[in-house]
Amino acid sequence: SQTIHQWPATLVQPVGSPLSLECTVEGTSNPNLYWYRQAAGRGLQLLFYSVGIGQISSEVPQNLSASRPQDRQFILSSKKLLLSDSGFYLCAWSGGIAVTQYFGPGTRLTVL
Amino acid sequence: RKEVEQDPGPFNVPEGATVAFNCTYSNSASQSFFWYRQDCRKEPKLLMSVYSSGNEDGRFTAQLNRASQYISLLIRDSKLSDSATYLCVVNEGTYKYIFGTGTRLKVLA
Repeated sequence: SQTIHQWPATLVQPVGSPLSLECTVEGTSNPNLYWYRQAAGRGLQLLFYSVGIGQISSEVPQNLSASRPQDRQFILSSKKLLLSDSGFYLCAWSGGIAVTQYFGPGTRLTVL
Repeated sequence: RKEVEQDPGPFNVPEGATVAFNCTYSNSASQSFFWYRQDCRKEPKLLMSVYSSGNEDGRFTAQLNRASQYISLLIRDSKLSDSATYLCVVNEGTYKYIFGTGTRLKVLA
């Protein structure tokens, strides 16, 4: 069966510091991968999606970037965090032609 | 108009009650529809996909009305463990998923 992992689970970072969040998927190959952010009391906002290694599409311009160095690994990064980057970051995958998404456990980021 | 709209609630219902949520969407070309359940400070988990003919999974029934552009979720015989936020999700094709902000359900003993 497929599983999706994210780490760290929680993170507290100062403004201006760098960020690296990691997501890995097991039990499937060539998944579509997504990064979302959920701010308090708001819906999920799609940040990036990837259909393959090195292929990243950005949905919202911001100071975040994403990379997919391996088939089942998706990384979210920032060089300098802003206060507004605080939120719950969720990685998701979907497989092949199926559109159902499955989410990882998330990373709760607080920028102080 | 928001792309996907849900009543935020909260819906407070007694155990054993039947409760229904609606979700409206604006894009008539939307292709796939889902209900997810999200517990506090946890990730969304797929509850069920919503098919044109309607579908049922135990106490949960989902329906799609394309003409009026809404989907619904009916929960029968509510349990305390059903307390959560229910997210409506619409797929508009390719990789575009639009999430509602969720409806909070609280089942009371």
